[in-house]
Amino acid sequence: EIVLTQSPGTLSLSPGERANLSCRASQSVSSSYLAWYQQKPGQAPRLLIYGASGRATGIPERFSGSGSGTDFTLTISRLEPEDFAVYYCQQYGSSPRTFGQGTKLEIK
Amino acid sequence: EVQLLESGGGLVQPGGSLRLSCAASGFTFSNYGMNWVRQAPGKGLEWVSSISGSGTSTEYADSVKGRFTISRDNSMNTLFLQMNSLRAEDTAVYYCAKPPGGFDKYFHSWGQGTLVTVSS
Repeated sequence: EIVLTQSPGTLSLSPGERANLSCRASQSVSSSYLAWYQQKPGQAPRLLIYGASGRATGIPERFSGSGSGTDFTLTISRLEPEDFAVYYCQQYGSSPRTFGQGTKLEIK
Repeated sequence: EVQLLESGGGLVQPGGSLRLSCAASGFTFSNYGMNWVRQAPGKGLEWVSSISGSGTSTEYADSVKGRFTISRDNSMNTLFLQMNSLRAEDTAVYYCAKPPGGFDKYFHSWGQGTLVTVSS
């Protein structure tokens, strides 16, 4: 099973700042099959990124994904108030599909 | 518009059983593999089970293998999760999730979730 470790656990930033969220895999993720989700309290997760760098339909351009192998990054170029939430990465290149433990992005 | 509506959650005693349903609309249900993903209170996401569009192929997380059974009724556009021998650690919100493409293994559309509480 591929274990995904997200860092930091909590990230405190201000609106307008840039956020870099890390997702590290215990072994190489096949074909960069790595997705990112955003979850707000009381809501279902929302797909942001697939295939490590593909932006899902309707996702603003300030969200971007990068990386390959074992190291992946979600970047939010300029934080908007609605971006403060919990973010999860998920690998789907190997069975079982696994999620990271999440990074909470909070307002500083 | 894709809609996924889970039901069947509730309070059940340890060792008990529960059957979850997910009513789907807005897409050709039989063309898509479907999934259950859960989230324990205050915790992260955990993939639980997947089933192919035809229903002939299934997968399970080790944590539920042998206790949970995923199935689907394509004539009724409904996904099911039969949960037996429930444990306290199965307490979670259970989400039904659909991939963007029929064979994709990530999750584009999600239901609102149904809460399962296992407690005496």
